[in-house]
Amino acid sequence: AQSVTQLGSHVSVSEGALVLLRCNYSSSVPPYLFWYVQYPNQGLQLLLKYTTGATLVKGINGFEAEFKKSETSFHLTKPSAHMSDAAEYFCAVSPSGNTPLVFGKGTRLSVIA
Amino acid sequence: GAVVSQHPSRVICKSGTSVKIECRSLDFQATTMFWYRQFPKKSLMLMATSNEGSKATYEQGVEKDKFLINHASLTLSTLTVTSAHPEDSSFYICSAREGGGPETQYFGPGTRLLVL
Repeated sequence: AQSVTQLGSHVSVSEGALVLLRCNYSSSVPPYLFWYVQYPNQGLQLLLKYTTGATLVKGINGFEAEFKKSETSFHLTKPSAHMSDAAEYFCAVSPSGNTPLVFGKGTRLSVIA
Repeated sequence: GAVVSQHPSRVICKSGTSVKIECRSLDFQATTMFWYRQFPKKSLMLMATSNEGSKATYEQGVEKDKFLINHASLTLSTLTVTSAHPEDSSFYICSAREGGGPETQYFGPGTRLLVL
């Protein structure tokens, strides 16, 4: 069965600092990988996704993530944090095109002025 | 982009009553819809998957008689929480898939249910 582990339930960074949110997955087959952002009392918004091809994926709001098969990781990064980036971030995996997404527990990002 | 709406956004009900939550895909046809439940400071838990015109498939541990799901059309799915109890209070999020892979799965804004 597939699973997703997000290291750190809460990450705090200073405005302008690097953002690194960690995600590791377990899957028996090369998966589809996603990062979603959730603002308070809102649904999920897709940040970026990896399906096939280039392992470095760029998303919205300056975020990017790199699929590393050898490490079974899909960490999310942003070079410079902005106050508006404060939110909950979820990593998700789907082992194939027809299976539902499985989510990690989420990481709350705080940005300090 | 594809938009999924949910109604109501917030609902408060008395224990023992039933509550219906609607999920609509506004600008696409959703062959599959998903219902998730999110506990405070927790991840999303998949409750069930429904395909238009067929019975929903419930995840293990989810009571299908308590959480009734209807996917009557390609743009509408409903979740009815029957005989609600305080422990059913939660954030319910629906998701609709356009027909491709998970990259075509879009999420609604969620419904906050409070059972008194």
